[in-house]
Amino acid sequence: DTEVTQTPKHLVMGMTNKKSLKCEQHMGHRAMYWYKQKAKKPPELMFVYSYEKLSINESVPSRFSPECPNSSLLNLHLHALQPEDSALYLCASSQGTSGRTYEQYFGPGTRLTVT
Amino acid sequence: GQQLNQSPQSMFIQEGEDVSMNCTSSSIFNTWLWYKQDPGEGPVLLIALYKAGELTSNGRLTAQFGITRKDSFLNISASIPSDVGIYFCAGQRGGANSKLTFGKGITLSVRP
Repeated sequence: DTEVTQTPKHLVMGMTNKKSLKCEQHMGHRAMYWYKQKAKKPPELMFVYSYEKLSINESVPSRFSPECPNSSLLNLHLHALQPEDSALYLCASSQGTSGRTYEQYFGPGTRLTVT
Repeated sequence: GQQLNQSPQSMFIQEGEDVSMNCTSSSIFNTWLWYKQDPGEGPVLLIALYKAGELTSNGRLTAQFGITRKDSFLNISASIPSDVGIYFCAGQRGGANSKLTFGKGITLSVRP
């Protein structure tokens, strides 16, 4: 089973709203990722958690706040977003962060629209 | 950030044809991954390559890790309509916490 689930599938929020995106995997993977993807572009890395600790923050604005409550769950808290933040937000997980453990499996994504 | 080179941006083929797409870089990668993405969905891992010269198949898909470690190709044989989508290559340089570098993707269209 290589399933990563994400909720919600679609989200529309105003610029003053606070919302959260959720991601879950039950593959025993110890690394989890958030990516942002604009239409017809490749995914752009935002954050990496390794063994539940934040290991990479790609200089993401503080209006995006990641959280890893346990090894199976990853959240992305959103606050005061801008319309240009509208995108597909992808979660991914991998067994580890090097060599053959690095195969990343993506969830279906959350389509976020900021109005 | 740096991207891998994938071209052309779009490919149009007839159902039943074979198609080959490649991915090149000016620097060495230790791992190459190929993903397919359908509209509105997340990328799906097709094939992973770990050794220079490695040739790996997954059904009608075959991918190779270039000898120079600076390129990889993906071949799809006997294409079918469900092969339509965006194909991304991705490379990892190695070492813990090393990030994936993605190509810009190739949009494949299959005419019935």
